[in-house]
Amino acid sequence: DAGVIQSPRHEVTEMGQEVTLRCKPISGHDYLFWYRQTMMRGLELLIYFNNNVPIDDSGMPEDRFSAKMPNASFSTLKIQPSEPRDSAVYFCASSLAQPHEQFFGPGTRLTVL
Amino acid sequence: RKEVEQDPGPFNVPEGATVAFNCTYSNSASQSFFWYRQDCRKEPKLLMSVYSSGNEDGRFTAQLNRASQYISLLIRDSKLSDSATYLCGRGGNKLVFGAGTILRVKS
Repeated sequence: DAGVIQSPRHEVTEMGQEVTLRCKPISGHDYLFWYRQTMMRGLELLIYFNNNVPIDDSGMPEDRFSAKMPNASFSTLKIQPSEPRDSAVYFCASSLAQPHEQFFGPGTRLTVL
Repeated sequence: RKEVEQDPGPFNVPEGATVAFNCTYSNSASQSFFWYRQDCRKEPKLLMSVYSSGNEDGRFTAQLNRASQYISLLIRDSKLSDSATYLCGRGGNKLVFGAGTILRVKS
């Protein structure tokens, strides 16, 4: 079975540009999570969805960040406009239920110049 | 105080050694815990789940001490391939991770 799929794997962009990260969760998983990982702050939960509905977005750093889940097999995390401090690895994860084991995608390594 | 705290290490141990590290949590109502392993530049991968007092899987043992609010991970007979960062996660409405403990196993 395919795991969580993320694209792109690497993204280099310039400050001020819009960035869109994509995620396909494991089929049948009802929960989808977006995380950000940096050396300074570790692994932080940004937002999570249950059955395509955003449940908790308290980790979203500011209005420049937005996330959508239009259907059970696709989610996006958008940063507009991007800033150098947004440089990090962004992981998407999915799980069957809460609390339950989460399965992570390979991540998107974002560099904002 | 952070919700989940871990000693960042690194723990440097020789092959074959037994090593243990702890993870403390602040929410006494937490019912589930997870240990994840993360290799350099890779995603975290689930190592063990702990829903009661503990769990064992081969060389790995996780134990939960509710009175003192910590969960431990014990690795016996360390292998070079065990070198990684180990993340502790506290379950609930959302999974909260510690900063991770770096383990380096040397020959």
